[in-house]
Amino acid sequence: ETGVTQSPTHLIKTRGQQVTLRCSSQSGHNTVSWYQQALGQGPQFIFQYYREEENGRGNFPPRFSGLQFPNYSSELNVNALELDDSALYLCASSDRDRLSGANVLTFGAGSRLTVL
Amino acid sequence: AQRVTQPEKLLSVFKGAPVELKCNYSYSGSPELFWYVQYSRQRLQLLLRHISRESIKGFTADLNKGETSFHLKKPFAQEEDSAMYYCALGGFNDYKLSFGAGTTVTVRA
Repeated sequence: ETGVTQSPTHLIKTRGQQVTLRCSSQSGHNTVSWYQQALGQGPQFIFQYYREEENGRGNFPPRFSGLQFPNYSSELNVNALELDDSALYLCASSDRDRLSGANVLTFGAGSRLTVL
Repeated sequence: AQRVTQPEKLLSVFKGAPVELKCNYSYSGSPELFWYVQYSRQRLQLLLRHISRESIKGFTADLNKGETSFHLKKPFAQEEDSAMYYCALGGFNDYKLSFGAGTTVTVRA
């Protein structure tokens, strides 16, 4: 059973650029959630994808967008990067079809984004 | 509003001493509470959830709906318990978890 893998692990961008982060979910999981974790804070929910559809969204602007593919892997795209977007971006997978399984998250190691 | 408060940023205890991490929540529906833990150089992982009522690594947590709390306790802390602990709140099959800011626990020999 493979876990959640994220790429890239680190990246540096400049203001105004665009970034794409990738996530492969754990085998058997159909749901991917993305979280932003700023330094010294807990993870903040960005959005969730369930069977290729956006299933809920947190308080993030539209320049944060995502995709989920038929194999349940996912991408997070951020356009027009701002300095405040510098953070660790965590991907977590789960199984919404399992009773109370939606909130049992398996996390990836994260992608650390620095915006200069 | 869905909110989780962990009032202690840092907690330092001696090995063998009891440890309690506080968590309070605000939620209008039927809550589901979790504790997630991150050990040094490891990824965030589930420690325990209230509906399973299990004791994991000696830790227990009881959901108190009257006080809207879900404190994490261990009677005898071990050095390997040193980690960052996050309390998390969701609704049953809700689409998101809300995390607290986390508590860093250091267990000293």
